[in-house]
Amino acid sequence: GNSVTQMEGPVTLSEEAFLTINCTYTATGYPSLFWYVQYPGEGLQLLLKATKADDKGSNKGFEATYRKETTSFHLEKGSVQVSDSAVYFCALTPFSGGYNKLIFGAGTRLAVHP
Amino acid sequence: DVKVTQSSRYLVKRTGEKVFLECVQDMDHENMFWYRQDPGLGLRLIYFSYDVKMKEKGDIPEGYSVSREKKERFSLILESASTNQTSMYLCASRQGNQPQHFGDGTRLSIL
Repeated sequence: GNSVTQMEGPVTLSEEAFLTINCTYTATGYPSLFWYVQYPGEGLQLLLKATKADDKGSNKGFEATYRKETTSFHLEKGSVQVSDSAVYFCALTPFSGGYNKLIFGAGTRLAVHP
Repeated sequence: DVKVTQSSRYLVKRTGEKVFLECVQDMDHENMFWYRQDPGLGLRLIYFSYDVKMKEKGDIPEGYSVSREKKERFSLILESASTNQTSMYLCASRQGNQPQHFGDGTRLSIL
């Protein structure tokens, strides 16, 4: 079946530290991969995406590379800010040709301190 | 920008009540979704709809139903609310192969 596994949080960092949030997936075929972010009290926003192997998604200083050989899509940022504190969700859409279902990981809470 | 609006941010209801959660999108999207979000479980799909009056069960449809009478509106219905349905509910919409756009969520408490 299809599933997404994220590292457990919370992740606590000081401002300007390097961030990695691990995400691995299990999927049949060739899924599209996403990172969504949820700021306190808000819904989910798309952060970045990648639709095929070796694609790199990037946005707001965050990056993730679609690695088919390791079935991974790790999220990275070189220097985090307090405003990056949020919950981050890794997700995939299976290549099914049918309905466009999103499958989410459990989420990783990031707390950045000044 | 796509706007997905959920009618309530917070809602408190009693066990056994019939509860309606409303979602409206303003971009003429074909597909709409209802998820619930619980700590440690991420988001789980309850129901989705790919057209007016069309619906499909997601992963956890038990205890819920949906209605889509107009393209822009997708309603989630708890037929007889129970305490285990206390959760955050998120609505989303999507067109074609574009990413899903989410509303801000409704935090529902069943007492």
